[in-house]
Amino acid sequence: EDQVTQSPEALRLQEGESSSLNCSYTVSGLRGLFWYRQDPGKGPEFLFTLYSAGEEKEKERLKATLTKKESFLHITAPKPEDSATYLCAVPSNRDDKIIFGKGTRLHILP
Amino acid sequence: NAGVTQTPKFQVLKTGQSMTLQCAQDMNHNSMYWYRQDPGMGLRLIYYSASEGTTDKGEVPNGYNVSRLNKREFSLRLESAAPSQTSVYFCASSEVGTGEFGYTFGSGTRLTVV
Repeated sequence: EDQVTQSPEALRLQEGESSSLNCSYTVSGLRGLFWYRQDPGKGPEFLFTLYSAGEEKEKERLKATLTKKESFLHITAPKPEDSATYLCAVPSNRDDKIIFGKGTRLHILP
Repeated sequence: NAGVTQTPKFQVLKTGQSMTLQCAQDMNHNSMYWYRQDPGMGLRLIYYSASEGTTDKGEVPNGYNVSRLNKREFSLRLESAAPSQTSVYFCASSEVGTGEFGYTFGSGTRLTVV
């Protein structure tokens, strides 16, 4: 069964304290992996698409990486405005729809 | 640059009442989706429309109906609301399939059924 699992469920960091969020997936023939950011009261907002193992993409303090079984979202020297829920998602090969993980709630303390 | 527009943003219903959630996209996307999001459950697909004129059930369709009115608009109807349908509802759209950017989401409708 196609599945996406994110860990940890929640993470509290001090401002400037770097860390990583994990997304593991079980889908054969990966056709892309998406990262989204969701702020409270808003819809998920697209961050990155990764297609192949070894690929990396960066945006400000965020860097997403991909291996054959998982993806990491590295957050370097985070600021309070980075506080949000981060969602990982992959297209299912069974029915071409996107499977979402449950997200990691990130809270950056000033 | 509106993207995906959902109305209303907030709604309170009494048990048994009906209502329709509206969604429109201006990106010429073929596919549209309705999700609900509940604490600890993540995003769950209710219904989707792969293209104009087609609709299919998702993971949690019971108690809901949909209409793909045209390429831009995809509505979700609750015929007889129940407290279990209290949730945040998101509409999304995409190019054919999942596209390069996945889905574009609306800002959501927060529904409370009392």
